[in-house]
Amino acid sequence: QVQLQESGPGLVKPSETLSLTCNVSGDSMGHYYWSWIRQPPGKGLEWIGYIYTTGDTNYNPSLKSRVTISIDTSKNQFSLNLNSVTAADTAVYYCARGVRVVVVPGAINWFDPWGQGTLVTVSS
Amino acid sequence: DIQMTQSPSSLSASIGDRVTITCQAGQDISKYLNWYHQRPGKAPKLLIFDVSNLETGVPSRFSGGGGGTDFTFTISSLQPEDIGTYYCQQYGDLPITFGQGTRLAIK
Repeated sequence: QVQLQESGPGLVKPSETLSLTCNVSGDSMGHYYWSWIRQPPGKGLEWIGYIYTTGDTNYNPSLKSRVTISIDTSKNQFSLNLNSVTAADTAVYYCARGVRVVVVPGAINWFDPWGQGTLVTVSS
Repeated sequence: DIQMTQSPSSLSASIGDRVTITCQAGQDISKYLNWYHQRPGKAPKLLIFDVSNLETGVPSRFSGGGGGTDFTFTISSLQPEDIGTYYCQQYGDLPITFGQGTRLAIK
């Protein structure tokens, strides 16, 4: 059974880069869309972007200029970099496996499973 | 972006009650609609995919329906473990978007 686990600093200074890694265990990374989703405290869910195992990426236009997602299939992990952070980027960051059963404009059909999430606070 | 609007934003109900949540998409998304349940302090969990298909292991008291722009999520008999927040999610187009959530509490 596949499991995902996020890791990285819990505190980042404004204007710096937020960096997180998601470790995937229990299965290979093949044929899935490895995704990042965030949730500001007390608020809803925002899809950040995904990377396919070929290295193809797609990002939410609202964050595209600041986001990079990378993958290392040999280590069974993928990573998120979000630069020039502000307090508005304070959130719980989740990694998730994106599943595609049918080809649709949205690429990913659903997210399953998710990591437990990690809170990242942007503050000086 | 396709806006997803859930209603109500919160509700409380008694054990055994039938509970229904609605999700309206800003444009036609066909059947490309999923539902997730998030318990307090936990990650969201997929319950229903493609409008009405239950994920493996999800109890049959959960169901979904609709199509196009209007969708429903129903719990036929509310149980204590059903508390938390429910989110709809569309994949009819990028970027993938979620509803704002419906917080469910026990009365």
